[in-house]
Amino acid sequence: GAVVSQHPSWVICKSGTSVKIECRSLDFQATTMFWYRQFPKQSLMLMATSNEGSKATYEQGVEKDKFLINHASLTLSTLTVTSAHPEDSSFYICRASKQGNTEAFFGQGTRLTVV
Amino acid sequence: DAKTTQPTSMDCAEGRAANLPCNHSTISGNEYVYWYRQIHSQGPQYIIHGLKNNETNEMASLIITEDRKSSTLILPHATLRDTAVYYCIVSSGFGNEKLTFGTGTRLTIIP
Repeated sequence: GAVVSQHPSWVICKSGTSVKIECRSLDFQATTMFWYRQFPKQSLMLMATSNEGSKATYEQGVEKDKFLINHASLTLSTLTVTSAHPEDSSFYICRASKQGNTEAFFGQGTRLTVV
Repeated sequence: DAKTTQPTSMDCAEGRAANLPCNHSTISGNEYVYWYRQIHSQGPQYIIHGLKNNETNEMASLIITEDRKSSTLILPHATLRDTAVYYCIVSSGFGNEKLTFGTGTRLTIIP
């Protein structure tokens, strides 16, 4: 199966600072990557879809200026949470898309805690 | 994505078969049924998928009704490590398709 690596696994940051989360497809090229957010005891909610070389598409209610997504290469997408606040504390998960008819490949997730 | 309905939670004794149902009555003809599971504080893990025939792999079996409106994931000999949230999703299977996650079923394996 394909491998998607997400880094860091967990991060604690101070309120008002920015945090960058990386998502890498290790053994395939991902033209599309997805970012999800998951609050405790809730399901995954899609935040945005990023395509290599173009601007990300954000879901309704997700602030594009707060959650900056860059998909500069076919193997790397980054999510930057800018000016983080405690309410941004959550579990962030990336998914990398492999061409063709296939299952979805997810990163291990990043637990962000803003204090 | 077509909507799916799953029970919120289930318990299963260790060593027994765990049967997790899913309703997907509005599934389209070209949509597959996918099952993923999420162990606490990890990303979702693919389990199995099928179109209309029953499927089996090293992890589980998938039984899809003839009208395709429902399916059952079977973990034949549940272990404590199978405790997780199980998500049933219908999808065309194309990698760039958005996937919508429902609430899933929280399966607890009891020693």
